[in-house]
Amino acid sequence: ETGVTQTPRHLVMGMTNKKSLKCEQHLGHNAMYWYKQSAKKPLELMFVYNFKEQTENNSVPSRFSPECPNSSHLFLHLHTLQPEDSALYLCASSQGDGRDTQYFGPGTRLTVL
Amino acid sequence: GNSVTQMEGPVTLSEEAFLTINCTYTATGYPSLFWYVQYPGEGLQLLLKATKADDKGSNKGFEATYRKETTSFHLEKGSVQVSDSAVYFCALPQNYGGSQGNLIFGKGTKLSVKP
Repeated sequence: ETGVTQTPRHLVMGMTNKKSLKCEQHLGHNAMYWYKQSAKKPLELMFVYNFKEQTENNSVPSRFSPECPNSSHLFLHLHTLQPEDSALYLCASSQGDGRDTQYFGPGTRLTVL
Repeated sequence: GNSVTQMEGPVTLSEEAFLTINCTYTATGYPSLFWYVQYPGEGLQLLLKATKADDKGSNKGFEATYRKETTSFHLEKGSVQVSDSAVYFCALPQNYGGSQGNLIFGKGTKLSVKP
């Protein structure tokens, strides 16, 4: 399944580093999402973009900065992260018009040292 | 907004056993209901869905029926295989008729199937 791709698949970074996660969808969808999946916690919705406009920011700390240059690409810029930010970051996309099925990428496993 | 409650695991079964994972919801209107599955080291993928009351979603031997009387969408499989070992998530739209398609997910149920 290559509908939604994410790079890198694994990332290790120090607390003072700046890095970016990339997501690309090849499904012609209009909505894209960032989720955080931590051990022992429910899947957390972070950001939603619909037609390149951010429509939801779920009280995410400012050290996470999303960017959506077009409907096919979504980035998550990371800076001065904390060890508790270590998690699997999942990107998803959907049609965004009420047809609610979301399609997920494989995720980026992030470790903050 | 809508909400979902899912049976917590982990669930450990022997191969060919019967599987049920319970999911109940509260919602305005009659939203679509979903089951997603996450295999080890992968993202979530849609397993099945149902779009209206009494609909049955099915895929890969799994089934779930949209029951509005009991507000439930339990996942079942008659004979599980080792390859079914994964985490299963029940989900529904955050708000009925929402144009953004935001979903809310249950906490996930980890299934381990032993040979």
